[in-house]
Amino acid sequence: EDKVVQSPLSLVVHEGDTVTLNCSYEVTNFRSLLWYKQEKKAPTFLFMLTSSGIEKKSGRLSSILDKKELSSILNITATQTGDSAIYLCAATAGGTSYGKLTFGQGTILTVHP
Amino acid sequence: GAGVSQSPSNKVTEKGKDVELRCDPISGHTALYWYRQRLGQGLEFLIYFQGNSAPDKSGLPSDRFSAERTGESVSTLTIQRTQQEDSAVYLCASSFGQGYSQPQHFGDGTRLSIL
Repeated sequence: EDKVVQSPLSLVVHEGDTVTLNCSYEVTNFRSLLWYKQEKKAPTFLFMLTSSGIEKKSGRLSSILDKKELSSILNITATQTGDSAIYLCAATAGGTSYGKLTFGQGTILTVHP
Repeated sequence: GAGVSQSPSNKVTEKGKDVELRCDPISGHTALYWYRQRLGQGLEFLIYFQGNSAPDKSGLPSDRFSAERTGESVSTLTIQRTQQEDSAVYLCASSFGQGYSQPQHFGDGTRLSIL
């Protein structure tokens, strides 16, 4: 059974801190690793990492895929209170899985002013 | 529309009743997925539609759950004889092509509460 595990489950920091969120996966016929940010409602897409794109960056957020270690990290620098959210990691597989997402439990990030 | 649209946003019903949830995907997105998010837990895959192909129903938890999609448009998820353990947020996502090459984009979900 495919599995995705995130750590830590929760994290409390102060504005300006840098945080690193971890995600490990065990997925048969792995294709891609995605990060989402979930505030009140819909998960919002952040990054998609594949073998052809193992590092992505957008503003203060960046992510790296380590296919050897079967893991990924999401870095947020100079955190702001608006970064407070649940960060979800998910993996996809090819073949008959049709790209359905297998999610981790999420990391709850709280940024205090 | 600009994004994935789901309705209703909230639904409260009594145990044993049937409910129908609706999802309107992003225009042009051929793939549509339903997920369930129970309180404090990650998202669980329920069902996948791709064009006119047979849906992947492997994530449906019981035969009380069913879903339909007309072509590449609206999908409905139906839960019959609801139970309290069905209480959750039901999220719909769509993507342009299969989800391992194109990211899935989510709607705001339907929060279902079974009394």
